[in-house]
Amino acid sequence: DIVMTQSPDSLAVSLGERATINCKSSQSVLYSSNNKNYLAWYQQKPGQPPKLLIYWASTRESGVPDRFSGSGSGTDFTLTISSLQPEDVAVYHCQQYYATPRTFGQGTKVEIK
Amino acid sequence: HVQLQESGPGLVKPSGTLSLTCAVSAGSISTDNWWTWVRQPPGKGLEWIGEIYHSGITNYNPSLKSRVTISVDKSKSQFSLKLNSVTAADTAIYYCARSLLGTTAFDCWGLGTLVSVSS
Repeated sequence: DIVMTQSPDSLAVSLGERATINCKSSQSVLYSSNNKNYLAWYQQKPGQPPKLLIYWASTRESGVPDRFSGSGSGTDFTLTISSLQPEDVAVYHCQQYYATPRTFGQGTKVEIK
Repeated sequence: HVQLQESGPGLVKPSGTLSLTCAVSAGSISTDNWWTWVRQPPGKGLEWIGEIYHSGITNYNPSLKSRVTISVDKSKSQFSLKLNSVTAADTAIYYCARSLLGTTAFDCWGLGTLVSVSS
């Protein structure tokens, strides 16, 4: 299985400041034949299902605010919230879809400082 | 946007079988998407259970493969999960989800249903 490890487990950021979440995979999720990273990011608020934010490591899902961005390649990825808003308080998960079983990181909780 | 809704018993006895159905509405199940089950124990992370294509092709998590069956009923526009020999460790919120076309990232989710395993 490809193990996904997120850091930190939680972080507190002031409103309007940048939040950065890291995700590391135990093996590369870059498919050489199409040069795509099979990595997605989700936001999950309490009592709700996850919501897809980013796929192909950096493609924003339709309707997702542009303050959310994804970057990275191979085994190291980052989700950045450029200016934290109150509605961004949530747990964020990364997921690889390069191979089965599809696997998720343990989640990172983002709070307001 | 397609809508997904899980249904099934909220309580299952140990050693019994967990059975859930995901109804697909406002869209077709016979598309080039994968239909997926994911679970989340209370307060914990997400675990992929398995996926099915409308043709019936399946992929399962090896950690659950011996106990899991996912099936599709195109006539009813639904897909189902069966997990047998359950224990307390199978207590979780169970979500059904659809993969984004061309990927197996999940762009559409049901609200989830809590299944508790207890006598």
